[in-house]
Amino acid sequence: AQTVTQSQPEMSVQEAETVTLSCTYDTSESDYYLFWYKQPPSRQMILVIRQEAYKQQNATENRFSVNFQKAAKSFSLKISDSQLGDAAMYFCASRRDNTGTASKLTFGTGTRLQVTL
Amino acid sequence: GAGVSQSPRYKVTKRGQDVALRCDPISGHVSLYWYRQALGQGPEFLTYFNYEAQQDKSGLPNDRFSAERPEGSISTLTIQRTEQRDSAMYRCAIARLNTGELFFGEGSRLTVL
Repeated sequence: AQTVTQSQPEMSVQEAETVTLSCTYDTSESDYYLFWYKQPPSRQMILVIRQEAYKQQNATENRFSVNFQKAAKSFSLKISDSQLGDAAMYFCASRRDNTGTASKLTFGTGTRLQVTL
Repeated sequence: GAGVSQSPRYKVTKRGQDVALRCDPISGHVSLYWYRQALGQGPEFLTYFNYEAQQDKSGLPNDRFSAERPEGSISTLTIQRTEQRDSAMYRCAIARLNTGELFFGEGSRLTVL
């Protein structure tokens, strides 16, 4: 079974600054996918970024990037130039790469990010 | 949500009543997933379908929970004899086949009094 741990229940960042959200996971799989999802106050679930475990290069999506440390089983999310709209709950998730047809994601408990002026 | 419509958005029911939650994905999508998210927690897998076939129901908490997708499109999650602990957001999602990332609907928030 996979487990995902987010050890920071809450984080705060000033507008325009950079913040890093931590995530560690435990899996016996060699191939897997990792995700960060954002949940704003509307409670939608929005995919932020995806990382394939077999790729050494860290994924980047505009102001969002990850620091993927496979040996340490760490998958942190960095948000640069934080904006008020980034305030949300952020969930880290993992999925083992089995047949490619099953998306049984395992989610962490989330980190609530506050963005202050 | 991107291509997934859920109804009702909000449901308040009394303990012991049955509820049915509906998920309507964009047409032609093979896989459909149900997740449950309790307050303050991340989503947890319940069950999923490929077309009309239920592939995995290992996440359903007990036999009061069931799901169907009879024509391979719309799915219904049914909770019988609801209990207060069933109160949660129930989310339906479709998956991108190669990467497995999920695209969630807006969810159905269930409150059991």
